[in-house]
Amino acid sequence: ETGVTQSPTHLIKTRGQQVTLRCSSQSGHNTVSWYQQALGQGPQFIFQYYREEENGRGNFPPRFSGLQFPNYSSELNVNALELDDSALYLCASSAGQGNQPQHFGDGTRLSIL
Amino acid sequence: GESVGLHLPTLSVQEGDNSIINCAYSNSASDYFIWYKQESGKGPQFIIDIRSNMDKRQGQRVTVLLNKTVKHLSLQIAATQPGDSAVYFCAVTWGGYQKVTFGTGTKLQVIP
Repeated sequence: ETGVTQSPTHLIKTRGQQVTLRCSSQSGHNTVSWYQQALGQGPQFIFQYYREEENGRGNFPPRFSGLQFPNYSSELNVNALELDDSALYLCASSAGQGNQPQHFGDGTRLSIL
Repeated sequence: GESVGLHLPTLSVQEGDNSIINCAYSNSASDYFIWYKQESGKGPQFIIDIRSNMDKRQGQRVTVLLNKTVKHLSLQIAATQPGDSAVYFCAVTWGGYQKVTFGTGTKLQVIP
């Protein structure tokens, strides 16, 4: 069984740029959630995708957007990058919308200069 | 909304002792609770979960206790080992979909 994989593992961008992060969900999982984890903090929910549609969103501005593809993989896009966007971005997949354990990838470390 | 807090930022225990990590939550409508372990450089790893219709659940060396009256959750680790050293997060979900609120984490240090 293949777990959740994320790419790239590290990324450096400058303010104002745009970034796309990618996630392959665990085999058999149709729901993907994205989280932002600042250093020393718990993950903060960005949004969730279920069957290619956004299924819930946390307190993040519209410049954070996403996609889910028919194979359930997903992208997180962030426009107009700000210094505060520097963080670890985590993807988690689960089998369905209900209360199921989420399985996390190891994240993409994004640094904004 | 939901706020989730942990009682201690750091917990040091002797190898072989039992560890107890506590978590408080605020939303009485919360219906699903999860404990995750995060090692340095890794994503959170699922440990154990419990639903609101239960007050105790056991896994291998771990037990989760849920007290809905006082909105408190705890994780007990039996015979703590050096490999248990990590940051532990409680996470709380509600609303029928998986919007999960994580606590700020407790760092468990195991002293050999």
